[in-house]
Amino acid sequence: QVQLQESGPGLVKPSQTLSLTCTVSGGSISSGGYYWAWIRHQPGKGLEWIGFIFSSGSTYYNPSLKSRFTISIDTSKNQFSLNVNSVTAADTAVYYCARLYSYGYVLDNWGQGTLVTVSS
Amino acid sequence: QAVVTQEPSSSVSPGGTVTLTCGLSSGSVSTTYYPSWYQQTPGQAPRPLIYNTDTRSSGVPDRFSGSIVGNKAALTISGAQADDESNYFCVLYLGSGIWVFGGGTKLTVL
Repeated sequence: QVQLQESGPGLVKPSQTLSLTCTVSGGSISSGGYYWAWIRHQPGKGLEWIGFIFSSGSTYYNPSLKSRFTISIDTSKNQFSLNVNSVTAADTAVYYCARLYSYGYVLDNWGQGTLVTVSS
Repeated sequence: QAVVTQEPSSSVSPGGTVTLTCGLSSGSVSTTYYPSWYQQTPGQAPRPLIYNTDTRSSGVPDRFSGSIVGNKAALTISGAQADDESNYFCVLYLGSGIWVFGGGTKLTVL
């Protein structure tokens, strides 16, 4: 059973860069048919899709978000990452990583989520 | 960007049937949006229930079913149980690598 686990700082100062990593275990991040996604849940709002990456490095981002978000992948470590530049309090959220099964159009495995607070 | 709409809350009696819906501000939801449904309890990772409109994820009991009803995607829970009390959200694929989440429905079993 594939498992995903987010890691990163729980507190980030405004204007700094938020960096999160998702470690995939129980399966290869290079497996065909899967994309690797980041999603966030801001307080009082619904879930928001940030974007996803394929093992080749191809990325897709939510066009509604400004270009402060970057997703990368390290297949040698079975990890993928999210960087958010110039954070503000509005970036405070629970951040989830998830696996997207492309043939079923389904997020079939999720991490537990990690709360990131942006505050000075 | 299109907004995905869900009832903020719903309730069902134990053993009863409830249908939750997932609409689209810009028009009708069809199978081409590959609607999927997830269950999430506080502090837990979301659990996939239904994908590709009506396909149950592995291990999901058959009292959960998905469909298109009118111009919306629908999740029907039959024979509701106490542990079905949870938050349910839908996700639609808009194409070109773009996905949108619904705001979620808080289901109460009482």
